[in-house]
Amino acid sequence: QSVLTQPPSVSGAPGQRVTISCTGSSSNIGAGYDVHWYQRLPGTAPKLLIYDNTNRPSGVPDRFSGSESGTSASLAISGLQAEDEADYYCQSYDRSQSAYVFGTGTRVTVL
Amino acid sequence: EVQLVQSGAELKKPGESLRISCKASGYTFTSYWIGWVRQMPGEGLEWMGIIYPDDSDAIYSPSFQGQVTISADKSSSTVYLQWRSLKASDTAMYYCARHRGARYYYYMDVWGKGTTVTVSS
Repeated sequence: QSVLTQPPSVSGAPGQRVTISCTGSSSNIGAGYDVHWYQRLPGTAPKLLIYDNTNRPSGVPDRFSGSESGTSASLAISGLQAEDEADYYCQSYDRSQSAYVFGTGTRVTVL
Repeated sequence: EVQLVQSGAELKKPGESLRISCKASGYTFTSYWIGWVRQMPGEGLEWMGIIYPDDSDAIYSPSFQGQVTISADKSSSTVYLQWRSLKASDTAMYYCARHRGARYYYYMDVWGKGTTVTVSS
């Protein structure tokens, strides 16, 4: 059972903005550990999307943005495109588990 | 180009041993932690552990401590994930991933394509 909770699914029409939440606790996000986000397209390996809460690696479109506040973090996708259909995972460190942890994952569907 | 190339799919029987590999190229192998992530069928990602190839210092998730062994070979820039006695519940996709950042703030910036391990009698 992951200590980082995400909604199982979110959906939106092309061009819309969707957000994915990542809810943690005082042992992980609330303790100040950074949140990172990954995109896993069908049949492929995960890809780093956002690191250190808000930073985009080179090549990631600025349609993707991250934020963090308190014990939660969010990933926003603006101008949703068909190619954004994928599973998205948040990741942080949990000091009570002494391990890096992933969120439960969210499937994004473009209507 | 930074790359992690993983070994091919494996079909094993319960109780058998197995070692899968992840060969790094395009960067200084001994300068980054590299680790393994499991994805069981229909499930999410689970962090298993990491190793620092320069001195083979390894850190395991408590969930995987004692269940697997992570090792590294500097001469071939390869990291391994090993099981002594496989169980059906080890059936999963296993990804290797380079870790970047500061301790406790690591993120995974380069991923292998994954190795499918199937354990079935």
